[in-house]
Amino acid sequence: GAVVSQHPSWVICKSGTSVKIECRSLDFQATTMFWYRQFPKQSLMLMATSNEGSKATYEQGVEKDKFLINHASLTLSTLTVTSAHPEDSSFYICSASAPGQGTVYGYTFGSGTRLTVV
Amino acid sequence: RKEVEQDPGPFNVPEGATVAFNCTYSNSASQSFFWYRQDCRKEPKLLMSVYSSGNEDGRFTAQLNRASQYISLLIRDSKLSDSATYLCVVNNPTDYKLSFGAGTTVTVRA
Repeated sequence: GAVVSQHPSWVICKSGTSVKIECRSLDFQATTMFWYRQFPKQSLMLMATSNEGSKATYEQGVEKDKFLINHASLTLSTLTVTSAHPEDSSFYICSASAPGQGTVYGYTFGSGTRLTVV
Repeated sequence: RKEVEQDPGPFNVPEGATVAFNCTYSNSASQSFFWYRQDCRKEPKLLMSVYSSGNEDGRFTAQLNRASQYISLLIRDSKLSDSATYLCVVNNPTDYKLSFGAGTTVTVRA
């Protein structure tokens, strides 16, 4: 089945620094990768949709200059949280599916990155 | 109105019990529906897709009611390992984005 590898699993950083999170599709080509954020006891909220070779599409209220998304290849998408602040502390998860499979088999999620900004 | 709404629970049931819960969705054009399971501090994992005729996977049964726009999940013979948060997920047919419910928490006690 489809596997999405995400790392780091957790990261603690100082306020004002930047953090990069990587998601790789290991056994399929992910033309589209979705990035989510989940706060405690809340559901996953879509932040942006990342398309290989083009600019990401951000959801309303998500700052594109703060959450930089790069999808340079069919197997790698990255999310960089720039100038992180404590309120950015959250669980960040990516997901993707093999082309045409998502509507039938759902999407595979990365293992998530727990970001703590101190 | 939220795109997907779920009863947050928690449902606290003894081992062996049957537990069932629903979720409702707002987009009548939605075509794909899923139940995901999420354990504490972990990523969601696909439990099962939900088909129009209803489907069963072992102890889990999912139903779809398009007229009333709700999906249900029933767990029979609950196990301790079924304790988790169950996420109702609906796929937007136009942009393939997933909409998540906030999750229903199930706790199975010995």
